[in-house]
Amino acid sequence: AQKITQTQPGMFVQEKEAVTLDCTYDTSDPSYGLFWYKQPSSGEMIFLIYQGSYDQQNATEGRYSLNFQKARKSANLVISASQLGDSAMYFCAMRGDGGSQGNLIFGKGTKLSVKP
Amino acid sequence: DTAVSQTPKYLVTQMGNDKSIKCEQNLGHDTMYWYKQDSKKFLKIMFSYNNKELIINETVPNRFSPKSPDKAHLNLHINSLELGDSAVYFCASSLRDSQETQYFGPGTRLLVL
Repeated sequence: AQKITQTQPGMFVQEKEAVTLDCTYDTSDPSYGLFWYKQPSSGEMIFLIYQGSYDQQNATEGRYSLNFQKARKSANLVISASQLGDSAMYFCAMRGDGGSQGNLIFGKGTKLSVKP
Repeated sequence: DTAVSQTPKYLVTQMGNDKSIKCEQNLGHDTMYWYKQDSKKFLKIMFSYNNKELIINETVPNRFSPKSPDKAHLNLHINSLELGDSAVYFCASSLRDSQETQYFGPGTRLLVL
């Protein structure tokens, strides 16, 4: 069965510093996708970044990068130059290939607080 | 130019009532989903649906039923509402039923009294 583990319920970071949010996963699928979503206090789910299991390079999107270590089954999110607006819940998620395996499986989330 | 929209945003109702939440996407996606986020912020898939196939999470009570009048809409009907149904319900869509990114609606906050 697929599983996502986020071990950090809460994190603090100083404004303008970088922060890493941890995510490990478990799957027997050879092909899968890894995602990070941001949920601010307003409640919407915002897609941040995607990494495919066969991608050779780590994904980057602006200040977000995904540190993908396939052998260790980890997909940590790195946010560089933190901003106050980055304060939110962050969810790591995974999906496999279609059918019921295509549904997103979420971790429990990490609440990030950025301090001025 | 909202991509995935849901109505209503808030829904307060009594136990035993029947209610519906509407979802529409204008992305031209083939697959739509419903997720439930509980009070501890945990998100769990309820249904996924494309033109051909409905996949139901086996833990979802049969009081919940998705209905899709067309490819751009997937509505969620809930019969005989219970206190434990109080949650935030998110609709999402993706281009195909594969590893494509899912885009979420703003959520519907349901409170059952």
